[in-house]
Amino acid sequence: TQLLEQSPQFLSIQEGENLTVYCNSSSVFSSLQWYRQEPGEGPVLLVTVVTGGEVKKLKRLTFQFGDARKDSSLHITAAQPGDTGLYLCAGARAGGTSYGKLTFGQGTILTVHP
Amino acid sequence: DAGVIQSPRHEVTEMGQEVTLRCKPISGHDYLFWYRQTMMRGLELLIYFNNNVPIDDSGMPEDRFSAKMPNASFSTLKIQPSEPRDSAVYFCASSPGLARWGYYEQYFGPGTRLTVT
Repeated sequence: TQLLEQSPQFLSIQEGENLTVYCNSSSVFSSLQWYRQEPGEGPVLLVTVVTGGEVKKLKRLTFQFGDARKDSSLHITAAQPGDTGLYLCAGARAGGTSYGKLTFGQGTILTVHP
Repeated sequence: DAGVIQSPRHEVTEMGQEVTLRCKPISGHDYLFWYRQTMMRGLELLIYFNNNVPIDDSGMPEDRFSAKMPNASFSTLKIQPSEPRDSAVYFCASSPGLARWGYYEQYFGPGTRLTVT
């Protein structure tokens, strides 16, 4: 079983602060995705990283895939109240049957106070 | 374009009753996924289909759960009989296919919140 551990589980910060969310596993993934979910809605894909060491930026969000493709981080610069939500990482199975099947982390609930 | 459509959005039922959740994927998407989300277990994949054929149902919790995809534009997840521990939000997602780098770009529906009393 491939497990993904996210930390922290909860994050409550003031507008303008920076934050980092971590996603770790002992398993290797072919790719890793980050989703954002708002209350009453389904997760929305933010980014997919596919190469070890890859860094992708999406405005104030920076995503990094670990060199060994076992971990990832999401860094938000100057957080805004609109960033509030549940952030989920998901790793795609690297091989075998059900190649590409996603395993989700437990999620990080981010609250940004004005 | 319409996204993934799920119905009903909310369902409250009594233990022992049959529950049917419905999903209409995005047109042209060949893959359909059913997930369950709870506070305790997070988001779990139950089953997924490729071109209407079930590929992996290893996440289906037990025989009370069944899923079908009779055509490319419709899928159902049925629970019979339902139990209080089935209470969760059930999501359907669709994908155009496995990308070159080995991942599915998934588009999620709004979910069905199921409460079994």
